Amino acid sequence: GDSVTQMEGPVTLSEEAFLTINCTYTATGYPSLFWYVQYPGEGLQLLLKATKADDKGSNKGFEATYRKETTSFHLEKGSVQVSDSAVYFCALSGTYTPLVFGKGTRLSVIA
Amino acid sequence: ETGVTQSPTHLIKTRGQQVTLRCSSQSGHNTVSWYQQALGQGPQFIFQYYREEENGRGNFPPRFSGLQFPNYSSELNVNALELDDSALYLCASRSSGRDTDTQYFGPGTRLTVL
Repeated sequence: GDSVTQMEGPVTLSEEAFLTINCTYTATGYPSLFWYVQYPGEGLQLLLKATKADDKGSNKGFEATYRKETTSFHLEKGSVQVSDSAVYFCALSGTYTPLVFGKGTRLSVIA
Repeated sequence: ETGVTQSPTHLIKTRGQQVTLRCSSQSGHNTVSWYQQALGQGPQFIFQYYREEENGRGNFPPRFSGLQFPNYSSELNVNALELDDSALYLCASRSSGRDTDTQYFGPGTRLTVL
């Protein structure tokens, strides 16, 4: 079945550092790819998405590019802030199919 | 536009009891899914409802059941609670029009089973 593998955390960075969180996937067909963010004590918020190969999703300074050849969707941000501290989930789904999530990567940004 | 809402926020039950969690979908969304998120894990798909019928189910036993109502709100019922049912339960809704692949989540209900 479909699956998502993302880098283990926790990741600890200083403010203004560059962030990369790796995500690779296995899927039949051509799923859409997502990054969701979960702040402490809250539900999931959609951060960005990409629906086809070579699409780039972006939001709030975060970016991820749908790479079909490497089955990857790595999350990047050029300069992280303390407010970016959260758990980040990579996920995939098709039309009307459920989301399949990775295990999550906890990011802590220190001032 | 109203987002996905869930109630209650927190709940404490004892083993063997039954629980009902509620969800109101985002305006204009007619498909609702439920996910279980154990501590430190990613969410796991429980089931999905469309037009008041279950049309997809994950690897969860029959004591997990649900309903969807004509206004697209939904309930998750869990019978014979077990300690391992302690988790954050997330409801997500999506549209059958555009962006059908995108689900929007509520804040979740944290269930503790003692």
